[in-house]
Formats: sequence, structure tokens, C-alpha cells
Amino acid sequence: AQSVAQPEDQVNVAEGNPLTVKCTYSVSGNPYLFWYVQYPNRGLQFLLKYITGDNLVKGSYGFEAEFNKSQTSFHLKKPSALVSDSALYFCAVTPRRGGGADGLTFGKGTHLIIQP
Amino acid sequence: KAGVTQTPRYLIKTRGQQVTLSCSPISGHRSVSWYQQTPGQGLQFLFEYFSETQRNKGNFPGRFSGRQFSNSRSEMNVSTLELGDSALYLCASSLGDSWDEQFFGPGTRLTVL
Repeated sequence: AQSVAQPEDQVNVAEGNPLTVKCTYSVSGNPYLFWYVQYPNRGLQFLLKYITGDNLVKGSYGFEAEFNKSQTSFHLKKPSALVSDSALYFCAVTPRRGGGADGLTFGKGTHLIIQP
Repeated sequence: KAGVTQTPRYLIKTRGQQVTLSCSPISGHRSVSWYQQTPGQGLQFLFEYFSETQRNKGNFPGRFSGRQFSNSRSEMNVSTLELGDSALYLCASSLGDSWDEQFFGPGTRLTVL
């Protein structure tokens, strides 16, 4: 069975500083990896995904994530944080296999707080 | 393009009752997945339907069931409600492959008294 760990319940960053939200995963075989964001009173929104190829993937709102197979990590990053980035961030994994969606396995989520 | 819609948005039931939640996916999406979100357990996968067939199922008891119609709309049913079923139930639609991003609805907040 697959699992996702987000070791930090909360990350505090000053506006304008770079941010990192950590994620490690465990899955049988190769993974598809995703980041989603949940704003207050709004649904989950897709940010970015890793399927194959370049280990650095770019997504919405200036976010990017780096896939590291040897460390089984998929950390979310942004060079310069905005107050509007404050939200709950989820990392998710699903195993890579032919056909069918196995259902995403989510981490517990990390509250990102950007201080003005 | 209209997003994923879920009805009702809020629901209050008592223990032992049953409940049906509805989800309308994005036009053209054939896969609908259901998730339960609680403060303690986080987001957990319930099941996924594709072309009216349940294709995958998470680790939930048989009281949780679902179905999908020919227009890809989906319903989720919970029978014999328990207090622990209080949660936000999220529906997500996608094109249907494992690598496709899922688009989530706003959720149905179920409270069991």
C-alpha cells in the first residue's frame, strides 16, 4: 500500500522569502505525484504533477516541485512567497500502472502561513 | 467550462439513517472519485467509478456504496449512519487515467447527530 508523509503540520515564511513544503512517499513501483492546495471555504485545487521526464516540474501560481527518486521525495517550492499563498497544501501519490485510477493517497496536509 | 458540482452542500442526519450525496462531473470527464475528509484521518479514498463501473475501492465498510449513471453523474450512499461518518465528502472528476489531475467539487458537509 502506498503512503505519503508531510512531516510539518505548519510552515511559516516571511513574504518575499523562498518556501519549501516537504513530502516523502512510499509506493510499489514508480509513482505519479501531485500537489493540491485547499483555500479556506474552497475546494481542493490542482497545482502540479510529476509523471515522467524532467525531475523539476512547474505548476500554477509560480510553484514548482522537485522529484527525487533516491530520496522518494517530492518537495514543493516557490522562490518568493506571497501572503495569498497561505493555505493548506496536500501531497498525493498514486502508483504507476496501466489503466485505471487507483485513487490518490494524500498526506495529512501542511498549513503554509506567509507573514507580511 | 463548469466545474464539479456537489449537492447538497450541507446535511444533518441522525444515527441509523441513510444518506445519498450527488456529484456532477466536469463535462467530458468519465471518472468520478469520492473522498472522505476528517480532521483526524485527513483525506481518504472511498471509491472510483468509470463508465458506470466501480473500478477501484478504498478501505471503507460496505455501508459506503456508490453508483454512476450514463451521463457520468455519480451518487454516494451511506447506510446506517454512525457518528464517525461526520465528515466533508469530496467528489473529484478526471479524464480517467492515473496520471490525470483530478478536479474537486466543493464537498458535502455531513453531520451525524
